[in-house]
Amino acid sequence: GAVVSQHPSWVICKSGTSVKIECRSLDFQATTMFWYRQFPKQSLMLMATSNEGSKATYEQGVEKDKFLINHASLTLSTLTVTSAHPEDSSFYICSATSQDRVYEQYFGPGTRLTVT
Amino acid sequence: GNSVTQMEGPVTLSEEAFLTINCTYTATGYPSLFWYVQYPGEGLQLLLKATKADDKGSNKGFEATYRKETTSFHLEKGSVQVSDSAVYFCALSLTGTYKYIFGTGTRLKVLA
Repeated sequence: GAVVSQHPSWVICKSGTSVKIECRSLDFQATTMFWYRQFPKQSLMLMATSNEGSKATYEQGVEKDKFLINHASLTLSTLTVTSAHPEDSSFYICSATSQDRVYEQYFGPGTRLTVT
Repeated sequence: GNSVTQMEGPVTLSEEAFLTINCTYTATGYPSLFWYVQYPGEGLQLLLKATKADDKGSNKGFEATYRKETTSFHLEKGSVQVSDSAVYFCALSLTGTYKYIFGTGTRLKVLA
């Protein structure tokens, strides 16, 4: 149980285009979803926290207009990287908490974004 | 502020050696503590957890005990295998917000 999927697993896009990453909780309702960014050989950096039906809360230093987060339902959150540039290339990981285990996050497998 | 400190890697061991990866934390309240493992090119998998002081989390031969007096959650395994080669992250969950604070990760390489 408590499976989180991400799609796509990897994506290559051209500089200036936008790309959308989906995060789904497959067998539970996710009250809260988190988006992380991981640079090579580094730890995870929390980008934003989103609750279903409300605006995401972004961490300090994260551009909300560049990284658009939508949490449309209790099983789906999306991250859209707008006008992507090579410096946005990274590994993006989402996680989710369930209503009965709010202190524990379940992680997706990650999406590797390469901007050329 | 809240933080997690892990020993720097990489850690290189021979198969069947004993493993310890140190983790200490600073946090207000009573956080839950976690160890996650990340294999190359993959996301994070929960390895074990402990939600209160003196709890011992265990899984796949790995163990860690929540020590409030020393604010530590060291990861141990008695006999590592080549398949244990991965990056290990210590993390805490903040009471109330449920945000995670991650350590920097420790890369483990086990040689046959």
